[in-house]
Amino acid sequence: ILNVEQSPQSLHVQEGDSTNFTCSFPSSNFYALHWYRWETAKSPEALFVMTLNGDEKKKGRISATLNTKEGYSYLYIKGSQPEDSATYLCASLDQTGANNLFFGTGTRLTVIP
Amino acid sequence: KAGVTQTPRYLIKTRGQQVTLSCSPISGHRSVSWYQQTPGQGLQFLFEYFSETQRNKGNFPGRFSGRQFSNSRSEMNVSTLELGDSALYLCASSSTGAQYTQYFGPGTRLTVL
Repeated sequence: ILNVEQSPQSLHVQEGDSTNFTCSFPSSNFYALHWYRWETAKSPEALFVMTLNGDEKKKGRISATLNTKEGYSYLYIKGSQPEDSATYLCASLDQTGANNLFFGTGTRLTVIP
Repeated sequence: KAGVTQTPRYLIKTRGQQVTLSCSPISGHRSVSWYQQTPGQGLQFLFEYFSETQRNKGNFPGRFSGRQFSNSRSEMNVSTLELGDSALYLCASSSTGAQYTQYFGPGTRLTVL
């Protein structure tokens, strides 16, 4: 079992603000780190799958970085919009051969218009 | 491409009953994973099937079982339901496994009375 932690648990920002949150995971035997966005009443939607130390991914106003040596990933949202309001989940996969993701409990983002 | 579908979307059962949930993956995807989400918890991995074989199993009691058919559709069965089994059950499909992007279905909301 991998202990994946996310912080903060929830976050309220004003429209137009930029924000970021953290995902911490065990650095030993790291294989992959996933980010998902989960809007209320919808299915979790994949944002990024990251595997390399120092990797940076970007999708529109959302970007993510990965540090596998110290076991953390940051998700950044630039110029938050109300439609960004969702729970952001990260999940880690290690190299033990177990083919399952271990999810954090998520960061609930609310963007206030 | 059609997304991942799950049936039924909502289900109410009583303690002691059993229930079967169904998941149809994206066409061409051979890996199907099942997750449970309860309030305050992250997504908890139940099991993963690939080409009709269970490849990995999470830390759940034997009352939770599953199977996968030759067309990659998967079912999950919970026997002797307990109140604590009330949860949102999500399935996710991918082309080969958890190291790749998981595509989630809308979930089945199970309530046990």
